[in-house]
Amino acid sequence: AQSVTQPDIHITVSEGASLELRCNYSYGATPYLFWYVQSPGQGLQLLLKYFSGDTLVQGIKGFEAEFKRSQSSFNLRKPSVHWSDAAEYFCAVGAQTGANNLFFGTGTRLTVIP
Amino acid sequence: NAGVTQTPKFQVLKTGQSMTLQCAQDMNHEYMSWYRQDPGMGLRLIHYSVGAGITDQGEVPNGYNVSRSTTEDFPLRLLSAAPSQTSVYFCASSAALGAGNSPLHFGNGTRLTVT
Repeated sequence: AQSVTQPDIHITVSEGASLELRCNYSYGATPYLFWYVQSPGQGLQLLLKYFSGDTLVQGIKGFEAEFKRSQSSFNLRKPSVHWSDAAEYFCAVGAQTGANNLFFGTGTRLTVIP
Repeated sequence: NAGVTQTPKFQVLKTGQSMTLQCAQDMNHEYMSWYRQDPGMGLRLIHYSVGAGITDQGEVPNGYNVSRSTTEDFPLRLLSAAPSQTSVYFCASSAALGAGNSPLHFGNGTRLTVT
């Protein structure tokens, strides 16, 4: 069965510090992997996605993520966090074929302190 | 383009009442879906549709009905609301099937409280 684990419920970082949000997945086939961001009262916005090829993918807003098949991980990183990055972040996994149904992790809430 | 539009933004129901959450997209997307978001549980798929006239169940379909009579609209019906259905509901759509072919576009959500 497919599942996505985000072990950190809440992370607090100082503005300008680096950030890494963890994501581990379990999936029976080769997955597509995604990171979404949700600002308060808003829907989800796609940050980046991994399908195949280069295991380091770049996204919007200066985010990147690295796919590590051996660790079943897809961690999100940013070298220098801005106050506007405060939001909730969701990792998700989907199938390469069939309907565009995603399985989401439980999310990590990011607080940025000045 | 308005994208994915959900109405209402907020709704309070009493147990046993029925209502329909509306979702419309103006991007001519084939795929549409409904998720619910609960604290500590992320988003869970309720129902989805791969085209007009075609719907299927997701992970948590009980207590909800859907239909897809047009490409644009995908309403979610609660036939007899229960407190366990208190949640934030998101509608999403994409241009093509398969997670790799097109990203999901999300609406801004409907916050439903059932008392």
